[in-house]
Amino acid sequence: QKEVEQNSGPLSVPEGAIASLNCTYSDRGSQSFFWYRQYSGKSPELIMSIYSNGDKEDGRFTAQLNKASQYVSLLIRDSQPSDSATYLCAVKMIKAAGNKLTFGGGTRVLVKP
Amino acid sequence: NAGVTQTPKFQVLKTGQSMTLQCAQDMNHNSMYWYRQDPGMGLRLIYYSASEGTTDKGEVPNGYNVSRLNKREFSLRLESAAPSQTSVYFCATHLDRGLNQPQHFGDGTRLSIL
Repeated sequence: QKEVEQNSGPLSVPEGAIASLNCTYSDRGSQSFFWYRQYSGKSPELIMSIYSNGDKEDGRFTAQLNKASQYVSLLIRDSQPSDSATYLCAVKMIKAAGNKLTFGGGTRVLVKP
Repeated sequence: NAGVTQTPKFQVLKTGQSMTLQCAQDMNHNSMYWYRQDPGMGLRLIYYSASEGTTDKGEVPNGYNVSRLNKREFSLRLESAAPSQTSVYFCATHLDRGLNQPQHFGDGTRLSIL
C-alpha cells in the first residue's frame, strides 16, 4: 500500500461542473496536507493547504479533511478548461523527519468545453 | 525575486557521463529537496538538506550525490549516468518555521540519458 494514494484518472469533467478529487493516506498522525496543481511540462504549484478537520475554501477550490477516515479531498467548482492539469496531494506525516512531504501519484483532470 | 532557480533546464547525456544539476534559492529557506518525477510515479524524494552542511537520503538516493555548501545552493550530481535516471528533476525549498509550510518548486530539469 502506498503511503499517499490518488486515483490516477483521467477525471473527465464538463465545463462548469464540479470536479471531486480524493486522496487517502496511511499515517494516522499526519499533520499537514497540501494540494498542488501541475500543468503538463511545468512544475507543481501550491493551490490549497489544510491542517484541521473540515472544509477550507479558497475561490473555486475547497479542500476537505477527515483525519479519522484518513482522507483529504479537493473540490473544484465551476470547472474551467484552464483547470485541466494533474493535481498532486502531499502529506506531512508525523513519522517523517524534518519537513519532508510525501506525494501521491497525482490525478489527471480534463475539463471539456 | 527569482524564487527557486534550476539549471540547466534540459540536458542529454550518454550512459556513463557525469553531470551536476544546480539549484539556487533566494527565499532564505533552510530546507532544500531534490525530487525526480517519472510518468505515473508522482514525485519521489532523492535527497534533502535541512540546513547548510547537512544532507540526508530520501526514497531513491542510489546513483546520486548531493552537496549543500551554503544556504542558497543545493546541487545534485550523477557520477555515472544510467538510462534509468532519465527523468524530470525538481528542486524544492521549505521554510522551517512552524509545521504547516508548503514546499516551493523550481521549474525543473529535463534529463535524458541515452
